[in-house]
Order: sequence, then C-alpha cells, then structure tokens
Amino acid sequence: GQNIDQPTEMTATEGAIVQINCTYQTSGFNGLFWYQQHAGEAPTFLSYNVLDGLEEKGRFSSFLSRSKGYSYLLLKELQMKDSASYLCAVREGETGANNLFFGTGTRLTVIP
Amino acid sequence: NAGVTQTPKFRVLKTGQSMTLLCAQDMNHEYMYWYRQDPGMGLRLIHYSVGEGTTAKGEVPDGYNVSRLKKQNFLLGLESAAPSQTSVYFCASSLGSGGYEQYFGPGTRLTVT
Repeated sequence: GQNIDQPTEMTATEGAIVQINCTYQTSGFNGLFWYQQHAGEAPTFLSYNVLDGLEEKGRFSSFLSRSKGYSYLLLKELQMKDSASYLCAVREGETGANNLFFGTGTRLTVIP
Repeated sequence: NAGVTQTPKFRVLKTGQSMTLLCAQDMNHEYMYWYRQDPGMGLRLIHYSVGEGTTAKGEVPDGYNVSRLKKQNFLLGLESAAPSQTSVYFCASSLGSGGYEQYFGPGTRLTVT
C-alpha cells in the first residue's frame, strides 16, 4: 500500500520562495511526480523524479530522497498565478501501467 | 491537437440511473485512466487500460465498468448510480509507463441525488 503525506494548506508572499514537502511510504517505489491543479481545472504535470537529487525547471525545482521517502517542490519568485493545489504522486511497481497514487494535495495561496 | 477531452462536463443523476462518461484523446497514447477526485481524498484510480481492448481495475473500481474498444476512446459506465458516486471524474492518458507524464482531461462533475 501507500501512505502519502503533504501539508493541506500553505500561504506565501509574491516574489518569495516556498517549499512544499511530501513524504511517502510505499512497497515498490518507482518514481514521484508533482502536478499543479488550479481550482476547477485539470491537473497539469510539473516534474518527475526517479533518482535522488534535484531536478530544476525554470522557477520550479523538485528534490527526491528515496532512502528517506521524501520529496519537495520548490517554487521561486512566486507569482499570483502560482496560487493552486500541488499534488504529489508516487508511482508503484517496475512493470505494468504507469499507475500513480496521489496525495491529498497542498493548497498554496500567494498573497501580495 | 485537442489533447484529452471529456463529455459531458456536468451531469445530475437520480439514484439508480445509469450513464456513460466518454473520454477521447488524439495523442495516440497507449495508456488511459479514469480517476475520481473528492474533497480531502485526492485523486483515486478507478480503472485503467494499457491498450486497445484491455482494461484493469484500479484502487476504487466497485460500481463502475469501462471499455476501450478504440485506442483513442475510454468509456466509464455507472450502471446504477449511488450518492457516494458524486464526485469529479478525470480521464487521463500517457504515452507509456515509467516516467511518462499523464495528461488530464478537463473533468466531469457528477452529482447523484
């Protein structure tokens, strides 16, 4: 089974940096995804980590530590449009479908 | 390209009624998925398909059936709707397994009274 934990809500100021943490316990880890979901819209892909370390993509970075069952998403130079929910999802298994197990999401509010 | 599309966008059903949700993708993806999203629960996988003519159960399959007769379409059926099936339903597709991202449709908001 899986147990994926992330904070329910966070607030940060425009222009600042925010780190959203995700911890997981799973029987067959094979990758971690971060998705962004604006209210009333579909989730959209942000990042993928399968090896330990940091992946950087513009203002967004994602880090993974497999030994600690831990990931974070780092958002720099926050903009008002970054107000959204951020979903951590773990892929289990080495073969078969790309099945993901999602956390409940972290709702980020960016304030002026 | 339209990506992943879903119909309908909204629907209200009475308990016991049936309906089919349609998902279509124009990206030639092999894998397709149906999720439901409920407050405080996150996205949960209902059924999935790894190719035309194949389907498999996900995390919460009870009360739902699916079919993948054509590669580009994935149908989700509710034979006898229950209030517990009130939710937002998302379809997704991906090129393959591994690190391939899933592309999500806009969602269907279903209310069962």
